[in-house]
Amino acid sequence: QVHLQEAGPGMVKPSQTLSLSCSVSGASVSLGGYNWGWSRQHPVKGLEWIGYVYYDGDTSYNPSLKSRLSISLDKSKNQISLKLTSVTAADTAIYYCTRVVVGHSAPTLNWGQGTLVTVSS
Amino acid sequence: DIAMTQSPSSLSASVGDRVTITCRASQYIADFVNWYQQIPGRAPKLLISAASTLQDGVPSRFSGSGSGTDFSLTISNLQPEDFAIYYCEQSYTSNTFGQGTKVQMK
Repeated sequence: QVHLQEAGPGMVKPSQTLSLSCSVSGASVSLGGYNWGWSRQHPVKGLEWIGYVYYDGDTSYNPSLKSRLSISLDKSKNQISLKLTSVTAADTAIYYCTRVVVGHSAPTLNWGQGTLVTVSS
Repeated sequence: DIAMTQSPSSLSASVGDRVTITCRASQYIADFVNWYQQIPGRAPKLLISAASTLQDGVPSRFSGSGSGTDFSLTISNLQPEDFAIYYCEQSYTSNTFGQGTKVQMK
């Protein structure tokens, strides 16, 4: 059973950098077959795909976030991390850690429980 | 961006009913469509991938169809645990989601 658990600050000030981590159990981020990433859910805008990283470091990012975004793996800790710079109120959302199948239609097979991040001064 | 227009935004139904939710893509996306179920307060759950492939453990009353730009999710014989919000997602390029359809009890 694959389990994803997000961790983060809960609140971030505007213009600062949002940093989240995700601990993975039941699977290894060092092996192929899956991408590891993030999606978020805005209170009003709905679900939004953020991006993902493959075990070899190859990344795919949402073009609207790409200039501010970094997703990486810590293989020694079996964790995924997200860094989003220059945040604004529009980045307030529930952030989900995800495991995405590599292959046709690339569905998100596993989701973490989600962590709420509020951007506010 | 490829827009996914989902309809209806909400519907009311009774246990045992058959319901259909549709998603229309703003351009051709072959069968790169996934469907998710979300119970409020919980993470989404994958139901169907590649437009029509039912995931392991998902009841057979759920089915998906479509290709190109028009897709649908059908729930036959609606059960109490099916009252939830359903989302389509396109993964053809730079994934995007539909706005969601809330299935509520009549």
